[in-house]
Amino acid sequence: DSGVTQTPKHLITATGQRVTLRCSPRSGDLSVYWYQQSLDQGLQFLIQYYNGEERAKGNILERFSAQQFPDLHSELNLSSLELGDSALYFCASSAGTGGTSPYNSPLHFGNGTRLTVT
Amino acid sequence: GNSVTQMEGPVTLSEEAFLTINCTYTATGYPSLFWYVQYPGEGLQLLLKATKADDKGSNKGFEATYRKETTSFHLEKGSVQVSDSAVYFCALGGYGGATNKLIFGTGTLLAVQP
Repeated sequence: DSGVTQTPKHLITATGQRVTLRCSPRSGDLSVYWYQQSLDQGLQFLIQYYNGEERAKGNILERFSAQQFPDLHSELNLSSLELGDSALYFCASSAGTGGTSPYNSPLHFGNGTRLTVT
Repeated sequence: GNSVTQMEGPVTLSEEAFLTINCTYTATGYPSLFWYVQYPGEGLQLLLKATKADDKGSNKGFEATYRKETTSFHLEKGSVQVSDSAVYFCALGGYGGATNKLIFGTGTLLAVQP
């Protein structure tokens, strides 16, 4: 058990809808990362938050947004959903900023949320 | 841009066979390199890492050496077990072990038969 909790485990919705995925990081971890895993694109980094602030941005679409709350949990919001957004969405957390600090720690991944858009 | 290329799977081996999963990378600067493993129904777990050239990462009998001259980070294990069946991902990070914006390969499925 990585200590990272993602809810829900499965989500089925229709095109054009909006969904929210939730992530609770490991106790004490300040960084939260979101990744998308799809068959055609593989595992893609979306965005990172550190202690409530956006830290790094990857291939995140404008229809997607995220935030990290004061209690450090994070939510990924996906709107105007398309069939191609069907994927497994992973959250990961780490103790440090994800940079080169000696206090940096490996990423710990949750079990993912499987999103199916019909 | 930076990228990672892994050998395509699935790789099917008998128990106690030798494993090699190839990984090569393209990057500017001095990236860190990682191997992650994903067991069925679970998230990714860090298996091993190397933060500079000629470093060898090792864990649970798996090893990989950071080869700058061949831009490779091949994963090896001398004797695989059925419990090693999983998907293995090679990943590229930033300088000095930085883990934000990790770039992953496409993953290689390993199936070990008894």
